[in-house]
Amino acid sequence: DIQLTQSPSFLSASVGDRVTLTCRASQGIGSYLAWYQQKPGKAPKLLIYGASTLQSGVPSRFSGSGSGTEFTLTISSLQPEDFATYYCQQLNSYPRTFGQGTRVEIK
Amino acid sequence: QVQLVQSGAVLRRPGASVKVSCEASRYTFTGYYIHWVRQTPEQGLEWMGWINPNNGDTKYSQKFQGRVTMTRDTSISTAYMDLSSLRSYDTAVYYCARGYLDSRGPCLDNWGQGTLVTVSS
Repeated sequence: DIQLTQSPSFLSASVGDRVTLTCRASQGIGSYLAWYQQKPGKAPKLLIYGASTLQSGVPSRFSGSGSGTEFTLTISSLQPEDFATYYCQQLNSYPRTFGQGTRVEIK
Repeated sequence: QVQLVQSGAVLRRPGASVKVSCEASRYTFTGYYIHWVRQTPEQGLEWMGWINPNNGDTKYSQKFQGRVTMTRDTSISTAYMDLSSLRSYDTAVYYCARGYLDSRGPCLDNWGQGTLVTVSS
């Protein structure tokens, strides 16, 4: 199985900060990576797919990049509603694995 | 917009089975795969498999092979996930999600609200 390692596991940041989350794959997955945001008690919400394609309706302050084994999710200016846990998922091979998540909290 | 509505929380005894439903609306049910994902504090998000509602084809994670069965009823636009031989470690929130695919790649673009399955004696 492909392992996805997200870093950091926890991030404390302030409103307006630029934050970058990383997802590393144990083997190459091309651009078949998606990012999701999850708030407590809610289902994950798709933000980015194809490593860099912004899902319809998602604010443009979110962006994704990378290919192969290293990927990043950047939030250009953190907003109060962005405090949540972020997960990456690879959709290149089976089983479709997820990273362990990065929790973004208010400093 | 696309909606996936799941059945409610359930309690099961160890060794029993559970069937979770996922009713789709506001899109063509047979046009998109339905995936099942579960979430626990210990294991995080785990992909369980998918079903193609158009023809009933399935793909399961090896971890759940032999214990999971995914089915659908196209007449009511509903997918089902059946998990048998339940153990305490199967206590989790189970999600259905719609599989989407375009030229940029695949993803899970819409999710159900989740169903808590508790396994306890």
